Amino acid sequence: SAVISQKPSRDICQRGTSLTIQCQVDSQVTMMFWYRQQPGQSLTLIATANQGSEATYESGFVIDKFPISRPNLTFSTLTVSNMSPEDSSIYLCSVVSSDKKQFFGPGTRLTVL
Amino acid sequence: GENVEQHPSTLSVQEGDSAVIKCTYSDSASNYFPWYKQELGKRPQLIIDIRSNVGEKKDQRIAVTLNKTAKHFSLHITETQPEDSAVYFCAARRSNFGNEKLTFGTGTRLTIIP
Repeated sequence: SAVISQKPSRDICQRGTSLTIQCQVDSQVTMMFWYRQQPGQSLTLIATANQGSEATYESGFVIDKFPISRPNLTFSTLTVSNMSPEDSSIYLCSVVSSDKKQFFGPGTRLTVL
Repeated sequence: GENVEQHPSTLSVQEGDSAVIKCTYSDSASNYFPWYKQELGKRPQLIIDIRSNVGEKKDQRIAVTLNKTAKHFSLHITETQPEDSAVYFCAARRSNFGNEKLTFGTGTRLTIIP
């Protein structure tokens, strides 16, 4: 399985500010996703991060609020922009390995005050 | 799009007994079905998966069964232990090649009673 790291692991932010979360994988992967998980809830897909092109967003998520970069096959960033308390959540990146299985990063716990 | 329903939402079993979690899916084109275990404060961890050309798969105390006709699949945990306590998520995906997204169930909180 791929080794996935995320930075930061947690942060506390003021409303109206932005936070960029980084995801690094130890091998090249084609598919990389960003999820949100609110307390006690399931995993909600925000977008698919596409290398070399714009991310593909799910219904309810827009690029202005969650801009994503994917400069290469091992790295991606998710920015949570103009944050409000409703954005408090755990954000996870996820990748599909060479054997077509999907794995998750350790997550970033975001609290917006 | 795909819709995955998962039951029950909570499950308590005595240590040593078996636990069964069931999921149904709506898209008949789905052909890959993983299960994830998420302990408190940890990432979801892939514990077992099954592809549509197989009816059952076992890995030690855990097994998954798939009924494509009825569009449901189940996770079976035998001889449960306290460390099995966690939230379990089922998921479904159309592609065997990993180039499509997973749709997750709502999760089952499993508690093993010592």
